[in-house]
Amino acid sequence: DTAVSQTPKYLVTQMGNDKSIKCEQNLGHDTMYWYKQDSKKFLKIMFSYNNKELIINETVPNRFSPKSPDKAHLNLHINSLELGDSAVYFCASQARRTGGTGELFFGEGSRLTVL
Amino acid sequence: GENVEQHPSTLSVQEGDSAVIKCTYSDSASNYFPWYKQELGKGPQLIIDIRSNVGEKKDQRIAVTLNKTAKHFSLHITETQPEDSAVYFCAATEPDNEKLTFGTGTRLTIIP
Repeated sequence: DTAVSQTPKYLVTQMGNDKSIKCEQNLGHDTMYWYKQDSKKFLKIMFSYNNKELIINETVPNRFSPKSPDKAHLNLHINSLELGDSAVYFCASQARRTGGTGELFFGEGSRLTVL
Repeated sequence: GENVEQHPSTLSVQEGDSAVIKCTYSDSASNYFPWYKQELGKGPQLIIDIRSNVGEKKDQRIAVTLNKTAKHFSLHITETQPEDSAVYFCAATEPDNEKLTFGTGTRLTIIP
């Protein structure tokens, strides 16, 4: 049973479209994250939610909007997709809000390709 | 904010030899330093971590050392095996900061 699952695993779309990526964790964790990994493998945090409350919002274009309907789910919606949005997006969860010092459990990633 | 540099970006070692990956961080207040391993097509997975009140930690073939004065920490893998081939990331967290800052990654290849 997958601990952190993301869908879809692959997403190919045209510039200007709107798309969503979903994430669910069955670990009972309080905190969830979205990370972006570019073609050079750089891992950069985008957002963090704790018990459905937004606690980290990095300098991310407002075309990106996270939504957490409950603490087990954190979805990412992207409007007006651009070529530079092509990347692998990782969802991660953490047991509780530990100031960044606890283990992160990552999903397998969602590869987004914008044409 | 924290800045983490990681070297080398690629590393090839013969099976059975040791591999060392080094990272430096900028904020002397940082107090937590994990290492993550990312296999092809997978998400990163924690393999070992160290806190600032400890100088060294070992788990079987993997060890991490921390030099707070110099603000650097290293991952040591001994008796490398083909399954050690992956991308390795170091990271650092500042106190009262909610987020990890990752290094740029090292692609480790073990040559059979």
